[in-house]
Amino acid sequence: QVQLVQSGAEVKTPGASVIISCKASGYTFTGSSMQWVRQAPGQGLEWMGRIDPNSGGANYAQNFQGRVTMTWDTSITTAYMELSRLTSDDSAVYYCARNLRYAFDYWGQGTLVTVSS
Amino acid sequence: QSALTQPPSASGSPGQSVTISCTGSSSDVGGYNYVSWYQQHPGKAPKVMIYEVSKRPSGVPDRFSGSKSANTASLTVSGLQAEDEADYYCSSYAGSNKWVFGGGTKLTVL
Repeated sequence: QVQLVQSGAEVKTPGASVIISCKASGYTFTGSSMQWVRQAPGQGLEWMGRIDPNSGGANYAQNFQGRVTMTWDTSITTAYMELSRLTSDDSAVYYCARNLRYAFDYWGQGTLVTVSS
Repeated sequence: QSALTQPPSASGSPGQSVTISCTGSSSDVGGYNYVSWYQQHPGKAPKVMIYEVSKRPSGVPDRFSGSKSANTASLTVSGLQAEDEADYYCSSYAGSNKWVFGGGTKLTVL
């Protein structure tokens, strides 16, 4: 069965960077793009970007351009999302999600990132 | 990309129907038949309920249906049940490998 397992919670200080991993299993990793979505406390879902493990291409939401980098390692079927220059506004739960037929059909369990001095 | 517009809240009694709207533009909702809807219970990851405007993934009850007219998509939940109480989000493909979400609607079953 399809599973996306994310890395654990992180606590970061302002200005730092965070890297979140998303280990995929149960499907052909290069067959679907991986999306990243975040949700601040009590707020809605925000699309951050996507990476296509097949082509290596990545697309980012305008709000995160210059601060986010999405990569993957096909050998271990793991996607990564790095967000830099963190502020308190980046405190949120970050999700990876598989994209299929233009929808997000499987989601990771979420990774809580807390940015605090 | 601007977020899609959803009503912040909706409600209905058990057995009733409720419809949640999702308004975008010709650059997203109106331009593609790639609207999807997600249900999220507190503390849980979202779950896809509708994709490609009106298609239901396997396992999603047929009480959930989707439609679209011009720049507005809609999710209808018929025969409301207590377990339908959750937050609902719409999402649309916006071209150039980009997506956008709605602000979310809190559905209360009275």
